[in-house]
Amino acid sequence: KAGVTQTPRYLIKTRGQQVTLSCSPISGHRSVSWYQQTPGQGLQFLFEYFSETQRNKGNFPGRFSGRQFSNSRSEMNVSTLELGDSALYLCASSLEGLEKLFFGSGTQLSVL
Amino acid sequence: SQELEQSPQSLIVQEGKNLTINCTSSKTLYGLYWYKQKYGEGLIFLMMLQKGGEEKSHEKITAKLDEKKQQSSLHITASQPSHAGIYLCGADMGPQGGSEKLVFGKGTKLTVNP
Repeated sequence: KAGVTQTPRYLIKTRGQQVTLSCSPISGHRSVSWYQQTPGQGLQFLFEYFSETQRNKGNFPGRFSGRQFSNSRSEMNVSTLELGDSALYLCASSLEGLEKLFFGSGTQLSVL
Repeated sequence: SQELEQSPQSLIVQEGKNLTINCTSSKTLYGLYWYKQKYGEGLIFLMMLQKGGEEKSHEKITAKLDEKKQQSSLHITASQPSHAGIYLCGADMGPQGGSEKLVFGKGTKLTVNP
């Protein structure tokens, strides 16, 4: 069974640009959640999607958005990038909710 | 904001030694999860605890959740180099969490010297 796949693995952007990250969950998993990890703030919950609907949302500005497709694949978008958005972005999937998450290897985003 | 305090921040032990990592919340938790992370990689699920007083073990790792469901400990017996990594606790704050339904501790970096 394939794991959670995130693309791209590394990304370099400049301030003001926007970026889209992709996540393919484990087959059969309907919940996909996104996290931002930085050395200073640690791992922070961004949002969770279930059956194409955002079910939970963390405390991040509206520049961070996401969506989920009918095949459960999910994308996360960050608009008007800031230097502070540099981080490891992790996607996780699970069967139903936020318990027992299976994480991808992440996308390392650098904003210059 | 809701916080999970993990201690210690880092730990260096000699192979074969036992160790304990703690995770504390100021509020009652709906669920407590332990994950392990290799640097720059995703997290690997270790254990989930939901009931007060619950204890679970897998191989040489034991996790406990106290009766008040505000503190958890992760204990590794006879540590091995393969145990090295960053251990994070995560918690479902339930309805009290508001927008911060799922929160994580800052992690404990474990180094096991052979």
